[in-house]
Amino acid sequence: DAGITQSPRHKVTETGTPVTLRCHQTENHRYMYWYRQDPGHGLRLIHYSYGVKDTDKGEVSDGYSVSRSKTEDFLLTLESATSSQTSVYFCAISETGGLSQPQHFGDGTRLSIL
Amino acid sequence: AQSVTQLGSHVSVSEGALVLLRCNYSSSVPPYLFWYVQYPNQGLQLLLKYTSAATLVKGINGFEAEFKKSETSFHLTKPSAHMSDAAEYFCAVSAENYGGSQGNLIFGKGTKLSVKP
Repeated sequence: DAGITQSPRHKVTETGTPVTLRCHQTENHRYMYWYRQDPGHGLRLIHYSYGVKDTDKGEVSDGYSVSRSKTEDFLLTLESATSSQTSVYFCAISETGGLSQPQHFGDGTRLSIL
Repeated sequence: AQSVTQLGSHVSVSEGALVLLRCNYSSSVPPYLFWYVQYPNQGLQLLLKYTSAATLVKGINGFEAEFKKSETSFHLTKPSAHMSDAAEYFCAVSAENYGGSQGNLIFGKGTKLSVKP
């Protein structure tokens, strides 16, 4: 299994509070991704990174920011959490980000915003 | 733009029966296609991928998928279902991002497979 650790695994917080989710990899892969998974929607890309300090938006980036200061860590921040951001969040990595490259996923973070 | 449609949000089969999970794609360029499986409370695990080398692709756990360009399909099959196959299955297509050389995955909405004893 790819060495991907997401933390925390579960979190409950209140509307309006900031939340940061962490993804840590031990594979030295260049590309890292954040997805959210919601019933009936599959997985949707929030942001991705193609190197240290290099990030770009995905399909559902509003309300989220990311940072990558080291190859192994990719942080997802909800500046002011809303109930619509209750979801399961997955981090994924890819060695080169090429079109034929599969992505490997962490075990997810279940986030509930009350 | 690339997209994926999975027909049937829930599929139920008996143990030992054929498993068929349907995936149709839309792509303006030759596609790269993937099937992933998700067990409860876990992340997604790669089952198999199509990258144009062969139209019939064999994956893990006895699954295989056939790429049919004329039908824009990439259906997942397994000859004989096992109880341990109960999970959610996702089809995905690579979508080009800026520059065209790297891709992000576009996922279908998933099909939940139930296996009856």
